[in-house]
Amino acid sequence: AQRVTQPEKLLSVFKGAPVELKCNYSYSGSPELFWYVQYSRQRLQLLLRHISRESIKGFTADLNKGETSFHLKKPFAQEEDSAMYYCALSGPGYSTLTFGKGTMLLVSP
Amino acid sequence: DVKVTQSSRYLVKRTGEKVFLECVQDMDHENMFWYRQDPGLGLRLIYFSYDVKMKEKGDIPEGYSVSREKKERFSLILESASTNQTSMYLCASRGHNYGYTFGSGTRLTVV
Repeated sequence: AQRVTQPEKLLSVFKGAPVELKCNYSYSGSPELFWYVQYSRQRLQLLLRHISRESIKGFTADLNKGETSFHLKKPFAQEEDSAMYYCALSGPGYSTLTFGKGTMLLVSP
Repeated sequence: DVKVTQSSRYLVKRTGEKVFLECVQDMDHENMFWYRQDPGLGLRLIYFSYDVKMKEKGDIPEGYSVSREKKERFSLILESASTNQTSMYLCASRGHNYGYTFGSGTRLTVV
């Protein structure tokens, strides 16, 4: 069974501080990993996917197959980063997407 | 730009009512999904559909059914609404690039 674990319900940091949102997964095979973000009163949207290896809004995430992790990082948090972040996993092809329980990031001035 | 439209932003229904949540996408996607989103539980998959008239149970299908009569429309049905079905319901569709596009959600309250 595939599972995504986000150990922190809430992460509170000050503006300019580094941010790391943790995500661990369980999957027997080669998964696709994603980070989704939901800003207040907005729809859920894709932030990153590990295949593209790109940086969006200063966020990066590296897939570590040895540790089965896909942590989301940003060196300097901004107030506009405050949102709910979900890590998600999909199997190959057209498999469904399994989400973690989410981490609320609060960035204070 | 793919659009996934959920017909209602807020709904209030009474216990025992039959409830229809509608979702329409405009990009000819084969795959459509219904999730519910609850604080502390994340998103949980209720049902999904790979094509017209096809449906598959997700992780929490009990108390729900779905209908996919046309490719662009995927309906979630609560046969007899109960208070524990009070939640935010999210519809999504997926195209060939595997990316999911979500609707803005329907917040359902069952009283």
